[in-house]
Amino acid sequence: EVQLVESGGGLVQPGRSLKLSCLASGFTFSNYGMNWIRQAPGKGLEWVASISSSSSYIYYADTVKGRFTISRDNAKNTLYLQMTSLRSEDTALYYCARKVLQSYYFDYWGQGVMVTVSS
Amino acid sequence: DIRMTQSPASLSASLGETVNIECLASEDIYSDLAWYQQKPGKSPQLLIYNANSLQNGVPSRFSGSGSGTQYSLKINSLQSEDVATYFCQQYNNYPWTFGGGTKLELK
Repeated sequence: EVQLVESGGGLVQPGRSLKLSCLASGFTFSNYGMNWIRQAPGKGLEWVASISSSSSYIYYADTVKGRFTISRDNAKNTLYLQMTSLRSEDTALYYCARKVLQSYYFDYWGQGVMVTVSS
Repeated sequence: DIRMTQSPASLSASLGETVNIECLASEDIYSDLAWYQQKPGKSPQLLIYNANSLQNGVPSRFSGSGSGTQYSLKINSLQSEDVATYFCQQYNNYPWTFGGGTKLELK
């Protein structure tokens, strides 16, 4: 069974940093591109960042480019999102999501981890 | 960026009814469209991909159609477990973008 379990969220002050993790199991992690997608409270979905299976290709939404860094450790089956210079508008539930092999839609999602940016 | 506009934003329907949700892309996305269902307090689940392909395990009362810029999700014979918010997503062009969502409630 495919499982994606996020961790590392919490309350953080504006301008500070936070690192999210997503532990994957139930599939060959190193074969799949992975993504972070967020959802502000009561709002819709916003794709944040993508990383290919071997980390060769990385993409970011303009809203986080230069502040967030996506990475992965295939030996540990873990996806990361390093978030710096956090803003109140980054407050959201952050989902880790697996993309299908040949395209850019998402077939498995984690349960999400909440990040609250507030003083 | 490709803008995805869903309608209606909310919808109330009765059990057994047929429901249609629309998704309009700001440019041609060549059927690179997925639909997701998000039940209250849960993460999104993939229903449809490539505009009209049903994801494994999804009930056959769900179907997708459309081409070009106009797409729709149809739910036949609405069940109580279909109460959820539905999102469309285009993956034709980076950045991947989602519609604003359609909240489906029971009448």
